[in-house]
Amino acid sequence: AQKITQTQPGMFVQEKEAVTLDCTYDTSDQSYGLFWYKQPSSGEMIFLIYQGSYDEQNATEGRYSLNFQKARKSANLVISASQLGDSAMYFCAMRELDSGGYQKVTFGTGTKLQVIP
Amino acid sequence: DAGITQSPRYKITETGRQVTLMCHQTWSHSYMFWYRQDLGHGLRLIYYSAAADITDKGEVPDGYVVSRSKTENFPLTLESATRSQTSVYFCASNDRGRGPLHFGNGTRLTVT
Repeated sequence: AQKITQTQPGMFVQEKEAVTLDCTYDTSDQSYGLFWYKQPSSGEMIFLIYQGSYDEQNATEGRYSLNFQKARKSANLVISASQLGDSAMYFCAMRELDSGGYQKVTFGTGTKLQVIP
Repeated sequence: DAGITQSPRYKITETGRQVTLMCHQTWSHSYMFWYRQDLGHGLRLIYYSAAADITDKGEVPDGYVVSRSKTENFPLTLESATRSQTSVYFCASNDRGRGPLHFGNGTRLTVT
C-alpha cells in the first residue's frame, strides 16, 4: 500500500496567487514526521519544510506552510504569493520507524507545479 | 568540500553488466539512503542504512546490493543490470534520524 499519496500529478497557479499541494499519508505509528521537498528542472532536491507528528503548531517557513490535519492524515503544502521560480516538482515524504526502530523515509509520486505569469 | 557526493554523474552500461554507484558524505551522518526516481513513480526507496554495517531493504530492493563498511560511504551495486534499472539514482543522508535528508546531485544511469 502506498504510504504517501499525492493525487495531483500537475497543477497550474497564477503568479502571486496561493496554491495548495495535497499530501495524504498512511501510518499506524504515533511518532512520525512529514517533509516537503522541491525539485526544480535542474534536478537537485531542496528541503522546504518539516512537521513532526507531535508538533501542535503547523510548520511555516517563509512563504511555505504545512497544513497538518492529523485526524485526516493529511499534510498539505501551501505556497503563498507564488513566484515564477516556484515552478518545479514537489514531493511529500514521511519519516517513520521500521520494525527494528530505524528511521525510514518514503516519498510520494510528486506534483508538478507550473506558475503562470 | 563538505557535503554528499555521488559518482559518476552519468553512466551508460549494458544489460548484464555489474555497475556500482558511489555515495560519499563528509558530515559523518549516521543514516544514508538510496532512492531511484522514475517518471510517474516519484522517489522510491531502494535501501537504507542506520550506521556502518546496518542496512535494510526499502520498497524496491530487488536487483540491488549495498554495503556500508565505513560511515561516510554507501555504495549501491547493480549485480546484473537490466533495462528496467535505467533511472536517476539519489543518495541522501541525515544525522541520527533527525532533521531533513540531504541529497546528492544524483546519478543518471542508462542500461542499454
